[in-house]
Amino acid sequence: EAGVVQSPRYKIIEKKQPVAFWCNPISGHNTLYWYRQNLGQGPELLIRYENEEAVDDSQLPKDRFSAERLKGVDSTLKIQPAELGDSAVYLCASRPGGTGNTIYFGEGSWLTVV
Amino acid sequence: LAKTTQPISMDSYEGQEVNITCSHNNIATNDYITWYQQFPSQGPRFIIQGYKTKVTNEVASLFIPADRKSSTLSLPRVSLSDTAVYYCLVGDKFLFFGTGTRLTVIP
Repeated sequence: EAGVVQSPRYKIIEKKQPVAFWCNPISGHNTLYWYRQNLGQGPELLIRYENEEAVDDSQLPKDRFSAERLKGVDSTLKIQPAELGDSAVYLCASRPGGTGNTIYFGEGSWLTVV
Repeated sequence: LAKTTQPISMDSYEGQEVNITCSHNNIATNDYITWYQQFPSQGPRFIIQGYKTKVTNEVASLFIPADRKSSTLSLPRVSLSDTAVYYCLVGDKFLFFGTGTRLTVIP
């Protein structure tokens, strides 16, 4: 079974430029998450989708960040414009429906803003 | 939202059993306890999950007392490749990550 796939794996951009990350969750997983992880810290939830609906986006900086999950499958996370402080790893994760199920993470997209 | 407290770091020699304890005093009735392992440059990887008592798989054991306010991850006979950050999380659909426990296995 294929895991959570993310791209790009690494991205270096100049500040004020836009950037987008793509995530393909595990087939059949209804719940999709985007987390951000800064160096030396645990992942921080940005947004959670149940199918195509964003059910928890309270931590998403909405002035510059946006996300979508069309047709309840793939998802994209966009930052526009990027700031130096956005340098981090952006992790996508997915989970099947029901209770007590495991959340599976992708390898992450490493963003460096210079 | 139940948060967790775990040691920031631990060191262990190869071949020893390592126990990492996590406190989660505000755990809710519906919450599960899940442990993840994270290596540098990788996403967190699921290790084990439990609701109560003891759970064991091929990688680790998880001990949960009756009051469920804490849990202990037990790694038998650790090797150098077990050096990683270990996260204890409590919840169901939503998982809150703390800073984790950085385990260093020494030869």
